[in-house]
Amino acid sequence: KAGVTQTPRYLIKTRGQQVTLSCSPISGHRSVSWYQQTPGQGLQFLFEYFSETQRNKGNFPGRFSGRQFSNSRSEMNVSTLELGDSALYLCASSFALAGGQSYEQYFGPGTRLTVT
Amino acid sequence: AQTVTQSQPEMSVQEAETVTLSCTYDTSENNYYLFWYKQPPSRQMILVIRQEAYKQQNATENRFSVNFQKAAKSFSLKISDSQLGDTAMYFCASFDRGSTLGRLYFGRGTQLTVWP
Repeated sequence: KAGVTQTPRYLIKTRGQQVTLSCSPISGHRSVSWYQQTPGQGLQFLFEYFSETQRNKGNFPGRFSGRQFSNSRSEMNVSTLELGDSALYLCASSFALAGGQSYEQYFGPGTRLTVT
Repeated sequence: AQTVTQSQPEMSVQEAETVTLSCTYDTSENNYYLFWYKQPPSRQMILVIRQEAYKQQNATENRFSVNFQKAAKSFSLKISDSQLGDTAMYFCASFDRGSTLGRLYFGRGTQLTVWP
């Protein structure tokens, strides 16, 4: 099976712009989670989607949003970019059941976002 | 919420030797998983090993094994016969299969260097 893919791998944006990152999960996985990784804050949870519904959200401002499509692919969007948004954004997929039982998460290679 | 603590920011070991990475966690949940992830310089997060909290037997995956002490909320990773390719940042993570669906709680990581 192909692994989790993320596009683009690298991105450079300027302050005030917006950006959209994409994640394709492992085939058969219906849950997609997003994490932000920075040297100062470590790994922080952004949100999780299952069957096109956001089930869980971390403590991030409303500038960070996401969605999931019917094929389980997910996108996250960051509007009005700030310098502090520079980070590695990791997507993870999991085989989750509708009743909420979830299993281990497998990560993509990440998107390195630099805001100048 | 859950918290995960890794008290060793850096460790080093000589090739072929054994090293143990420490992790403690805090959760009020009964149904949870614990994981060790490895993040090499490529930044790809790789699942190394998982432990289900209800299982008393310690998990083992080839050269990797854990020492799971549920009462002490301790979850250490032992790497035997260390190899140069084991050089990476190692993250301990917990996962609640109940209310906080789809969310991993990560420690700050331990940078392991294997030297020849």
